Order: sequence, then C-alpha cells, then structure tokens
Amino acid sequence: DTAVSQTPKYLVTQMGNDKSIKCEQNLGHDTMYWYKQDSKKFLKIMFSYNNKELIINETVPNRFSPKSPDKAHLNLHINSLELGDSAVYFCASSQSDREGTFGSGTRLTVV
Amino acid sequence: RKEVEQDPGPFNVPEGATVAFNCTYSNSASQSFFWYRQDCRKEPKLLMSVYSSGNEDGRFTAQLNRASQYISLLIRDSKLSDSATYLCVVGYGGSQGNLIFGKGTKLSVKP
Repeated sequence: DTAVSQTPKYLVTQMGNDKSIKCEQNLGHDTMYWYKQDSKKFLKIMFSYNNKELIINETVPNRFSPKSPDKAHLNLHINSLELGDSAVYFCASSQSDREGTFGSGTRLTVV
Repeated sequence: RKEVEQDPGPFNVPEGATVAFNCTYSNSASQSFFWYRQDCRKEPKLLMSVYSSGNEDGRFTAQLNRASQYISLLIRDSKLSDSATYLCVVGYGGSQGNLIFGKGTKLSVKP
C-alpha cells in the first residue's frame, strides 16, 4: 500500500499546454510538499502546505499553482508549460518537521 | 533565508574507505535533522535521523553540532552499494514545520 503516491509517473507534453500532477498520502501527515529536481539534480522546494494552509511558497512562476483539497492531497497545476519546466517533480509528506516520505516522482518533459 | 549547504562532490573513494560528509545550516532555530539517500532516478529515502547526542546505525554515524550549526555523516568500510547522493535535511517550524534539503553530496565507491 503506497504511502505517498503521485500520478502520472511520466508526462510528455507540448509547450503552452496546461497540466496537473496529483499527490495523495495515506500516512496521516499534516504537511505536504512539492519539490523540483532539475537536470543538475538539485532538489528545490517549491511549496509546503501544513493542514491545507500554504506555509512556503518559494520563488516559482505563478504559472505553478498548488491546490490542497484536504490534508491527504496536494495537487500541482502548471499553466502555459515551458521547456524549462522539464524536470522531475517530487511530492512528499511529513508530520510537522519530522522525517518526510517521498512519492516516486513525476518526470515531466516539455517538448 | 533558510539555507542548507553541502559540498556537492563527487567523492570518489575505494571500497573499504571511510568517508565523511558535512553540512551546514543557517537557521539556529532548526529543530530536526536528517540524512537522506537518493539513488539515480529514484526518490530520496530516509537514511537516518540525527540526534543531539549523535547516533550510529551500523557503518553509519551521524553527528550534530548545534553551536557550529553543522551536521556530519560518517560512512565506514564503504561498499559499492553506498554509491548514491546523500542529502542533508533540516526541519524548521515545529508544528507548522517544513523540511529544507541541501543540494546533496554525490558519493561514488569504486572497486
């Protein structure tokens, strides 16, 4: 039973399209995150939600909009996709600032 | 700005060697500390938590120095299977906590 699941695993799309990545956790954690890992392999936080409230919103383009319908879900919607958005996007969850558990990642390729 | 800094490496070591990684963090209010391991094209996974008194798990020893704001990871008797990227992680904020990742240190263990 997957603890943090994100879908889709792979996403290939054209520039200018709008796409969503979904994330769900069944660990009962109160905090969820989106991280971006680019071609240089650096893992950079994008958003953090605690109990459905936005805690961290790093400097990301406003084309990226997170949505947390409940504590167990944090989805990421991306408008007007650009080539530079190509990366692996990881969802994670934690109980407050305790250790986090990651999903297996969504590999986004914009062509 | 909350920063977690690591030497990106790569560290190239022979099997059986002892290798140490350090990590520094900028926010003295940090409350939780972890080392994660990330294999190529996989999600990061918790290696070990880091406690104030230091802790050991087999060949792995983690230390925390709050006064100097750094965390270390020591790997003894390196195995080929230890080859991976090691991520230093710092937790902030208590009940509204979040996890900030360092950029990782790449380790390559050679026969």
